[in-house]
Amino acid sequence: EIVLTQSPATLSLSPGERATLSCRASQSVSSYLAWYQQKPGQAPRLLIYDASNRATGIPPRFSGSGSGTDFTLTISSLEPEDFAAYYCQQRSNWPPLTFGGGTKVEIK
Amino acid sequence: EVQLLESGGGLVPPGGSLRLSCAASGFTLSNYAMTWVRQAPGKGLDWVSTITVSSGSTYYADSVRGRFTISRDNSKNTLYLQLNSLRAEDTAIYYCSKGMSAPGIFDYWGRGTLVTVSS
Repeated sequence: EIVLTQSPATLSLSPGERATLSCRASQSVSSYLAWYQQKPGQAPRLLIYDASNRATGIPPRFSGSGSGTDFTLTISSLEPEDFAAYYCQQRSNWPPLTFGGGTKVEIK
Repeated sequence: EVQLLESGGGLVPPGGSLRLSCAASGFTLSNYAMTWVRQAPGKGLDWVSTITVSSGSTYYADSVRGRFTISRDNSKNTLYLQLNSLRAEDTAIYYCSKGMSAPGIFDYWGRGTLVTVSS
């Protein structure tokens, strides 16, 4: 099973700041990594798939990079609606499909 | 517009059973892989099960294999998850999700249905 480790667990930032979230895989997942955003009481929303492809309707301030075992989700300038939890997920070697433990981006 | 609407959750004692449904609209269920993902209270996302386009292949997390069964009724455009031999650790919100053309990417999610296993 591929284990995904996200860091940091919590990121405290102010609106307008840049957010950098990390996801590390226990073995290579090539580029088969996705990022999801989840707000309290809501379902997850697909942001990025295959490491760097933005999903439909996702604003360009969200970008993904990386390959192999190290991946990054960057939010270039935080908007108030971006404060949420973010999860990475791999589809390289499944079953099982696995998610990271999440990073919460909170208002500083 | 793609929509997924889960139902069937509730309070059930340990060892009990439930059947969750996910009614799909805005797309043809049979053309996409579909997946159930759960989230225990205050915890992260946990993959449960996937059914492929052909319905010939189903996949389960080790924690639910042998107890849960995923299926689909293409005539009703509805996905199901039969939950048997429920345990306290199965308590979670259960989300159904639609796969993209590439397997293992979930581009639409329902709002979820809460399953609580408790005596």
